[in-house]
Amino acid sequence: GQQVMQIPQYQHVQEGEDFTTYCNSSTTLSNIQWYKQRPGGHPVFLIQLVKSGEVKKQKRLTFQFGEAKKNSSLHITATQTTDVGTYFCAGLTDSWGKLQFGAGTQVVVTP
Amino acid sequence: DAEITQSPRHKITETGRQVTLACHQTWNHNNMFWYRQDLGHGLRLIHYSYGVHDTNKGEVSDGYSVSRSNTEDLPLTLESAASSQTSVYFCASSENPQGPYEQYFGPGTRLTVT
Repeated sequence: GQQVMQIPQYQHVQEGEDFTTYCNSSTTLSNIQWYKQRPGGHPVFLIQLVKSGEVKKQKRLTFQFGEAKKNSSLHITATQTTDVGTYFCAGLTDSWGKLQFGAGTQVVVTP
Repeated sequence: DAEITQSPRHKITETGRQVTLACHQTWNHNNMFWYRQDLGHGLRLIHYSYGVHDTNKGEVSDGYSVSRSNTEDLPLTLESAASSQTSVYFCASSENPQGPYEQYFGPGTRLTVT
């Protein structure tokens, strides 16, 4: 079955620095989504990418979908303490809405 | 405002007991999902439903069951709780298959099986 892998599992970042987290799928994805979960909270939808090579930005967050639609990345610039949390990517596995989540990247920000 | 709620938020139970976790959404979404979250494993799908009377097994369905008698609710039952089922459980919902497919998550239930 489809596997979605994320690296790194943990990311320690100095406030103000940039970092990138990566998501790789064993199969071609029709759709990839990113979610953020704050410590003690629940996952919250951030964005959805559908097209090959698509790039979307949300303020300091840049999301990219690979040309082959098998990988994606999330790049955060000038990290802030509000960026703390776990970031999950999820690939759509059927046309009805079922998602396969990666294990997540836990981000810790040092002031 | 539309929302998705879970109850209880915390539950401690003993091995072998039957436990039911409630999930209620007012989004009028057809799709509902149950996940468990454990360190290092992310979110793993337990069961899901694409409409009333429809239920499907996810990747970690052993020991769990669901039923969907109306649009708003998808209760998750642990038939005979085991210590391996100690986890945080999240319910989620999303719109019809025509999309968009973003999922809205409930606040979670922390279950401890002793």
